[in-house]
Amino acid sequence: DQQVKQNSPSLSVQEGRISILNCDYTNSMFDYFLWYKKYPAEGPTFLISISSIKDKNEDGRFTVFLNKSAKHLSLHIVPSQPGDSAVYFCAASDGTASKLTFGTGTRLQVTL
Amino acid sequence: GAVVSQHPSRVICKSGTSVKIECRSLDFQATTMFWYRQFPKKSLMLMATSNEGSKATYEQGVEKDKFLINHASLTLSTLTVTSAHPEDSSFYICSAKPGGPNYGYTFGSGTRLTVV
Repeated sequence: DQQVKQNSPSLSVQEGRISILNCDYTNSMFDYFLWYKKYPAEGPTFLISISSIKDKNEDGRFTVFLNKSAKHLSLHIVPSQPGDSAVYFCAASDGTASKLTFGTGTRLQVTL
Repeated sequence: GAVVSQHPSRVICKSGTSVKIECRSLDFQATTMFWYRQFPKKSLMLMATSNEGSKATYEQGVEKDKFLINHASLTLSTLTVTSAHPEDSSFYICSAKPGGPNYGYTFGSGTRLTVV
């Protein structure tokens, strides 16, 4: 049972445009959400997170939006850059800090 | 869908003892599995790549003798933290890649290790 879903395995966006990566979850106990970025042959790197008490968190070109009623979060990257090409994972925690549930990832390709 | 089972989810051990963490791919074969470690509110850090039937590939700075990895079958990789110390307390996660290049990574649910 996949509690965190990233339904788009891949996404292609032109440089300079906005990239929107989506993530849905089913467990209403999740209250902390994270996005990770992963390059090939490297470990995932943390990008941005959001607590369930917020609906938006912004850090530079990255913004995460949380819609609790829809159990949906999204990551916006604007403007997209070629170096953003990577696999992006969303993850969720149930607040006990002992377990993270990850999505399966979305491969983003930013084209020139 | 592809499932990776990681066990145990939590473990508390005494300093000096060893702890084994198991990572199983339940409905696919995984010639390669990955072990990550995560500190609180920090990024996942790749520790090692586990290769079925051969030695694991460790990342720089990861002690091979401390974190023993065994990938004896196509569905099981184990990470043993030997002679554990409080600084080894962390969240360990394994993952595998069940499909082709456009298929996402499947992660285990993680193991919270606390060394007292």
